[in-house]
Amino acid sequence: GDSVTQMEGPVTLSEEACLTINCTYTATGYPSLFWYVQYPGEGLQLLLKATKADDKGSNKGFEATYRKETTSFHLEKGSVQVSDSAVYFCALSDLDYGQNFVFGPGTRLSVLP
Amino acid sequence: EPEVTQTPSHQVTQMGQEVILRCVPISNHLYFYWYRQILGQKVEFLVSFYNNEISEKSEIFDDQFSVERPDGSNFTLKIRSTKLEDSAMYFCASSPLGRAFFGQGTRLTVV
Repeated sequence: GDSVTQMEGPVTLSEEACLTINCTYTATGYPSLFWYVQYPGEGLQLLLKATKADDKGSNKGFEATYRKETTSFHLEKGSVQVSDSAVYFCALSDLDYGQNFVFGPGTRLSVLP
Repeated sequence: EPEVTQTPSHQVTQMGQEVILRCVPISNHLYFYWYRQILGQKVEFLVSFYNNEISEKSEIFDDQFSVERPDGSNFTLKIRSTKLEDSAMYFCASSPLGRAFFGQGTRLTVV
């Protein structure tokens, strides 16, 4: 079945450092790819998405590019802030067919001032 | 932005009791989902619901669980005879197609 693998955390960075969280997937179809973020004590919020190869999703300074050739969707940010501390989940879904999400295990990011 | 609403935000129940977790999806959405997240672990799919019936369910979703859309607006998850290991955050989601919106979750604590 479909699956998502992402780098294990926790990741601890200083403010203004560069962030990369790796995500790779296996899928039988042609899914959409997502990054969700979970701030402490809160639910899942969509951070960004990409629906086809070479699409770049971006939001709040975060970016991720759908790479079909490497089946990857790495999350990047050039300069993290303390407020970015959260758990980040990579996920895939073929929502155009109502398929459920498959989530990665999550990566906890802590940003220190 | 439209929201999926879940109630209650936190539920404490005794082992063996039944609980009902409630969700109000976004109107005109077609697909509805329940996921759970055991503390510190990954988000797991439980069940999807389309056209008033279950379209897919995971192996976690056994006879202890059931879902209903009783009145055309609410979407409920019932857990019969709760166990300690049912303690988790339960997320509801709804989707028109192309994007899913998640609720804030219900934290279920079984004691």
